[in-house]
Parts: sequence; structure tokens; C-alpha cells
Amino acid sequence: GQSLEQPSEVTAVEGAIVQINCTYQTSGFYGLSWYQQHDGGAPTFLSYNGLDGLEETGRFSSFLSRSDSYGYLLLQELQMKDSASYFCAVTAGGYQKVTFGTGTKLQVIP
Amino acid sequence: EAQVTQNPRYLITVTGKKLTVTCSQNMNHEYMSWYRQDPGLGLRQIYYSMNVEVTDKGDVPEGYKVSRKEKRNFPLILESPSPNQTSLYFCAVGRQEDSPLHFGNGTRLTVT
Repeated sequence: GQSLEQPSEVTAVEGAIVQINCTYQTSGFYGLSWYQQHDGGAPTFLSYNGLDGLEETGRFSSFLSRSDSYGYLLLQELQMKDSASYFCAVTAGGYQKVTFGTGTKLQVIP
Repeated sequence: EAQVTQNPRYLITVTGKKLTVTCSQNMNHEYMSWYRQDPGLGLRQIYYSMNVEVTDKGDVPEGYKVSRKEKRNFPLILESPSPNQTSLYFCAVGRQEDSPLHFGNGTRLTVT
């Protein structure tokens, strides 16, 4: 089976940088994704890492180390609207079987 | 515009009364999946489908059925709902392993 670990809550100041870590255990690893979910809303895709290294999309970056079974999401220049839950998700196997972590609730404070 | 449409948004029912939650997509994607979301447990996969007539169990399939008779539709069936199936349900659609999942708006189900 697969398991993922990420912190349950993080608080950061508006304008700062925050890093949300994710460690995973899985067989047949294919890639690591990140999703954002605001209260009452549906998850929305942020980024995907299939290979080691950093992927950058605007204020958001995501990193993967396959040898360490570890990744993180980096949010820069935090805004109040970034307050949400963030989920890492592992795709494994020859099929798109996607397993989500339990989520990190980010609170951005003024 | 890419759309994943779930219905209904809210549903209150009683134990044992069969119900179906519908999911349809306009993206012609092969992969569709159902998740349930409960506080502290994140999103847990119920069933997924790689194409028409191809379905497989996720991590929490007990008490649920699915069917994929057409590419665009992937209904979730609860033959005899129980209170422990009270949850927020999401349908997700994807193209291939390295592409994003598109989620429906969710169905909040309460079983009394």
C-alpha cells in the first residue's frame, strides 16, 4: 500500500515564505502532485513532479527527491487568499491510482 | 470549458435506501475516480476506472459500487447506505498519470 505524511497545520505571516513537507512510502512510484483546497471547495491542482528537482509555477514551487521519498511545496510572498488546505498525492503503479495525504491546513496571518 | 459535474450537491437519506451520485465529464478523459473526504483523514479513494468497462477498487470500496458504461459517466452507487458513509464525496477526472486531476464540486451526503 501507500502512505503519506505531511504536517497537519502550519501558520505563516503574510508576505513570508512557507514550506510544506511530504514524505511517502509506496511501491511503483510514478509522481508526486500537490493540490489546494479552500474551505467548502473542491481540490485544485497546483503542481506535479515526476523527476527529481524543482518545478516552479509563479509563487509556488514544488520539489521532489525520489531517493529520499520526500517532496515539498514552497509558497512565496504569501497572501491571505493562500489560507487553505494543501494535499500531497502520490501516483503509483502502472495505472493512475492516486493516493492523497491527510492535508496541511495553512493559516496566513497579517 | 473543462467540466466535471456531480449531482446532487447535498443529499440527506435514511439507512438502507439505495442512492446514486452521478458524475459526468466533457473532457473525453479515460481516467475517473471517486474519493470520500472525512475530517483528519484526507481524501480516500473508493473506486477508479481507467476506461469504459474497466474499474478497480481503491482503498475504501466496501459498501460502494460503480459502473462505467460510457466514457463520460461514472456513477457511484450505495446499495444500502449506512451512517458511516456520511461524508463529502468527490469525483475526479484525469487524462494520464502525469496530468492533473480535475475535481467535481462535491456531494455532501448525510445518512441518518
